[in-house]
Parts: sequence; C-alpha cells; structure tokens
Amino acid sequence: SYELTQPPSVSVSPGQTASITCSGDTLDNKYVCWYQQKPGQSPVLVIYQDTKRPSGIPERFSGSNSGNTATLTISGTQAMDEADYFCQSWDSSPKVFGGGTKLTVL
Amino acid sequence: EVQLLESGGGLVQPGGSLRLSCAASGFTFTGYAMSWVRQAPGKGLDWVAAISAGGGSIYYSDSVKGRFTISRDNSKKTLYLEMNGLRPEDTAIYYCAKDMVAAVAGEGGLDSWGQGTLVTVSS
Repeated sequence: SYELTQPPSVSVSPGQTASITCSGDTLDNKYVCWYQQKPGQSPVLVIYQDTKRPSGIPERFSGSNSGNTATLTISGTQAMDEADYFCQSWDSSPKVFGGGTKLTVL
Repeated sequence: EVQLLESGGGLVQPGGSLRLSCAASGFTFTGYAMSWVRQAPGKGLDWVAAISAGGGSIYYSDSVKGRFTISRDNSKKTLYLEMNGLRPEDTAIYYCAKDMVAAVAGEGGLDSWGQGTLVTVSS
C-alpha cells in the first residue's frame, strides 16, 4: 500500500518560516492536500491540489510538490499555528494520509 | 454554512455492530462525494471509506473491507456507516467529511468535517 512519510515534529520560532515535508513515491504525479488539526478539534483543510488555499486560510500558508516530496510552508509563523499537520494524497485508495507532524511554535 | 453532524457512536463489545449517521446541511449534498475518516486516541488520521455523489462508486480501506458498509440517502441528506464485526482496533473518533468534488477522485480534498463521534470497542 502507498505510504506518505512526515517528520513527527517540527519546531519554529514565532515570526519565522516553518516547513513540513511529506514524502511518497512519485508524489509529484499526484495531488497533495494538507490539514491542520488543533487539540480537541476536527481537521481543517489548509492546502489542496498541491498549492491552492481554501477560502479563509491565511496567505502565510503555502504548498509545493516536486519529485517525491511535498512541502507545507508557513511564513511568519504565529502561536496560533501550533497544531498537528497531516498531508494526504491518493493511490489505489482515494485518500491516503501521512502520519502527521506536530508543529511547535516556541 | 456547511454543517456535518455525526451520531451513533458508543461502547460496543468485540464482534458487535454499530451504525453511524452523518446529517448534512448548508450545501448541495447531491453534488459531492463523502468520506468517513477515523482517528484512534492520540493517533493520526485513517481514511475508512468513501462514496461518490450519486452513490455509484464506493471504496473502502483494506482494514475495514468486508466489515463496514458506507451508504448515503440523498433525499435525507444523510451519510451512513454500518460497522459489523467490530474489533478493539476500530476504537476511534469517526469523522464524516465532505469532498470538494462529486467523484471519489484523487484531486479532491476534504473541505468540511463534522465534530466526530466516538466508537469504543471493548469488553
């Protein structure tokens, strides 16, 4: 089965840029989405089709996808961005999730 | 405003059954595929099943295939998940989620999620 690999944790200082990676075989041949989940809350879609932001998502969230790696970038990271982030793509299953990355803003 | 309201979770013994429901409002239910996604306590997201807008295409994860059945009643704007042969490893919060497209296709993302319903499988 297809696997997406994320680092378990990433740390960033407030105001700096955070980058969260998601790796998978020939990932750039597929679309990637990213979800943000804060403790006790449901996931929220922050990036779809590699680079697009849904309405209401701040411009500091951006995405890219090249080769075997997709990247979620948060520019000017704020304390409110501290959360778990999950990438999602597809293969034989229509939805495959990465294991998630805990972003700590400190 | 899109709203998805799950219900039907609870405590069930191993081997037992449950039926989850997800009542949708605030969007044209017949226009979008829907999925069930679960999350075990302290763990990541785990896609369970998906159904196309018209109900003609259905997909399951290998871990639930043959035990779970996804369905939808477009006249009632409701999504269902029938779960049989439940196992302790099925214990999780089960989320109902709306896709961005009508087909269960790779280009869709899940742009609206319910608050989830907890399923606990234990003796």
